Formats: sequence, structure tokens, C-alpha cells
Amino acid sequence: DAKTTQPTSMDCAEGRAANLPCNHSTISGNEYVYWYRQIHSQGPQYIIHGLKNNETNEMASLIITEDRKSSTLILPHATLRDTAVYYCIVNRDDKIIFGKGTRLHILP
Amino acid sequence: DTGVSQNPRHKITKRGQNVTFRCDPISEHNRLYWYRQTLGQGPEFLTYFQNEAQLEKSRLLSDRFSAERPKGSFSTLEIQRTEQGDSAMYLCASSLRDGSNTEAFFGQGTRLTVV
Repeated sequence: DAKTTQPTSMDCAEGRAANLPCNHSTISGNEYVYWYRQIHSQGPQYIIHGLKNNETNEMASLIITEDRKSSTLILPHATLRDTAVYYCIVNRDDKIIFGKGTRLHILP
Repeated sequence: DTGVSQNPRHKITKRGQNVTFRCDPISEHNRLYWYRQTLGQGPEFLTYFQNEAQLEKSRLLSDRFSAERPKGSFSTLEIQRTEQGDSAMYLCASSLRDGSNTEAFFGQGTRLTVV
């Protein structure tokens, strides 16, 4: 079973920052937090991952709380193409287990 | 490198027939995963390989399902005696396990329709 909890859906205005929360209260010390997204009719796409520190790449930023029990994925300037289902996953280099994810709607 | 390739992209079969899907991972990726996804659900883990060794099979994978990765490169997923409940998108992913955590890359999937 997935070890994460995410809101079912969220809306965000185009051009604004999209902040997607994830709870992973049972995360183990050696488990990473990964984020993937899935645009309609496509395979999931990797976004970012982290262990303890905050991470940033060209797609997004990942903020992990100090106790590691929750994290937030930030899309700094959301566009219509960011409309997708976003999955938060905890993984220690094992099989990847997906939950239901958050369906993010970017509103024009 | 063109990424993870899955063939065919679409398959329509009659109930009771056998089907086989192929996945070509990114070259040099030693991990290969299979997932099944139905409408409105997240991908469900089926099985995964480290090189040619099948490390784990989900209890979702009935005896009618078999996966192989004979030379540690491409993989096949076979479904025997298909049922309507097997209709789904079948996704393949690959990753490089080299001692550090790395991301998985997914193919576009094979959509199976059993009629």
C-alpha cells in the first residue's frame, strides 16, 4: 500500500505557484520522497526527489519538513500544461508504489 | 536514447486469447518494472526485475500473468486466457540502480481492450 496521503484534487490559477502537499508520517530514515506526474494518456513522468534537504530543479521545488513527515511540491509558475495527476511516493530504492495522487487543474 | 519503448501501443483481443507485450528499457538500466492502470486509478505495481532476475511479483498477478526478462534487457508480459477485467493500460518503467536513488522512466504504455 502507498505510504502517502494527498488531497484528491486542487485548483491553481495559471501563472501562480502551485503548492501540492503530501503526508508521509511513517517514512523511514532511509526512504526518499519522490514526485511524479501523469498527464492524461501518458506514462508517469519523474519530477523531483529528496531525502532531507529541500531540492530544486528546472521543473519544481521540493520542501521537506524537518521531521520528514510531510513535504510540498512547488510548481513556481503553473501553466495549462501542468494540468495532471501528481503522485507523491516514498521509496528506498525498492519497487515504486503509487497512491491515488492529486489531480491538479490549472485554471486559465 | 529514445527512452522506454512499449509495443504494441494498443491491443484489442477477444476474451480467452493470449496476448504478449514487449518493453524495451533505456539501455544500461538494470531495473525494469511493470504496472497496470485502470481509469481513474494510480498505476498498480505488478512485478519488477533486477537485470534478468524477477525480484517480486504482486499478489495482483494471477497465474495467467507471466513476465520475463531473459537477457536482462527487454522484457515481455504475457497474459493467458484474457478476461474482460484485464482491460487496462500496462506500463513499463526502467531505472538504473547503482547504489544511489534514481528516478524511473516510464513508457507510454500498452492499452489492452478485451472484448
